[in-house]
Amino acid sequence: DTQMTQSPSTLPASVGDRVIITCRASQSINNWLAWYQQKPGKAPKLLIYKASNLQSGVPSRFRGSGSGTEFTLTISSLQPDDFATYYCQQYNSYSGAFGQGTKVEIK
Amino acid sequence: EVQLVESGGGLVQPGMSLRLSCGASGFTIGDYWMSWVRQAPGKGLEWVANIKQDGSERHYVDSVKGRFTITRDNAENSLDLQMNSLRAEDTAVYYCARGGLRDQLLCANWGQGTLVIVSS
Repeated sequence: DTQMTQSPSTLPASVGDRVIITCRASQSINNWLAWYQQKPGKAPKLLIYKASNLQSGVPSRFRGSGSGTEFTLTISSLQPDDFATYYCQQYNSYSGAFGQGTKVEIK
Repeated sequence: EVQLVESGGGLVQPGMSLRLSCGASGFTIGDYWMSWVRQAPGKGLEWVANIKQDGSERHYVDSVKGRFTITRDNAENSLDLQMNSLRAEDTAVYYCARGGLRDQLLCANWGQGTLVIVSS
């Protein structure tokens, strides 16, 4: 099974910062990668699909990139609403493994 | 508007069974792969199972194989998860999720989740 590894686990940041989260797959996933945002007590929300496609309604400060086994989620200018936990998920295979999450917290 | 509403969670003793349900509205469930994803308290997301549009394919995470069964009733627009031989480590919020139209295996829409606690 494909394993997903995110880094860092925690990311202290300030409003206005550029934030980069990395997700690595244990084997090529052919860009079948999604990014989700989750806030405490809430269900996750899809941000990015197919590695770089912005889900409808998601602000353009979120950008996904990468291919093969290495992917990044970039938030160009962190806003107060963006403090949350972010997860990547591969869906190249039927077992849709998630990364362990990256918590973006206030510095 | 797409809505998913889970139900059936609760407190159950180890070794017992529980059946979760997910009711869908605002779309036709038969057009999409559907998934269950869980989140243990204070932990990350774990994909549990998914099922193809017509129910002909089902896939499970290794830790639940042989114990959990995912089913769907397209006529009722609903998704179920039968959980048998429950263990303490199955304690989690269980979410149902809808796949995408083209990217069928991702989780495009989520319910609010239902909490399952396995404890004596």
